[in-house]
Amino acid sequence: KAGVTQTPRYLIKTRGQQVTLSCSPISGHRSVSWYQQTPGQGLQFLFEYFSETQRNKGNFPGRFSGRQFSNSRSEMNVSTLELGDSALYLCASSQMTGTSGNEQFFGPGTRLTVL
Amino acid sequence: AQKVTQAQTEISVVEKEDVTLDCVYETRDTTYYLFWYKQPPSGELVFLIRRNSFDEQNEISGRYSWNFQKSTSSFNFTITASQVVDSAVYFCALSEAEEWVTGGGNKLTFGTGTQLKVEL
Repeated sequence: KAGVTQTPRYLIKTRGQQVTLSCSPISGHRSVSWYQQTPGQGLQFLFEYFSETQRNKGNFPGRFSGRQFSNSRSEMNVSTLELGDSALYLCASSQMTGTSGNEQFFGPGTRLTVL
Repeated sequence: AQKVTQAQTEISVVEKEDVTLDCVYETRDTTYYLFWYKQPPSGELVFLIRRNSFDEQNEISGRYSWNFQKSTSSFNFTITASQVVDSAVYFCALSEAEEWVTGGGNKLTFGTGTQLKVEL
């Protein structure tokens, strides 16, 4: 079974631009969560999608948004990029949600650099 | 609010030494899950273990063992006879029952991680 895939793996943008990152979960998994990892703030939860609906959201500004498609693939978008958005963005997939403690599988991440 | 503390920023050991990574958590929930993940230089988080708040049994898996103590809100991870391949950043994480209420139960609150370096 293929793991979680994220594209692109590396991305360089300039301030003010917008970016879209993609995540394909493991086949059969319907929950996709996104995390931002920075040296200063560590790993922080962005949002979770299940069956095309956002189920939970972290404490990030509205510039960060996401969506999920009917095939469970998910995208996240960051508009009006700031230098502080430079980070590793990780996606995780799980079969279920609505209960806690589900095993989640992470992708390799997208390394975003904002210049 | 939930919080996970990993006080050890970096640990260096020589191969074959035993090493314990500490994790202390805070939560108001009585139902929650604790996790450990490993992050090698490639960046991908690798799941190691999950433990729910009602199961305080310690667990051993090969060279890995975990000690869960609710009385001290700790969930420590020990690697016995460490190997160079164990070098990575290790994260402890918490998932709370209250997150289920919103319909999304997969939110993880991570600690800041412990960088483990195992040298020959």
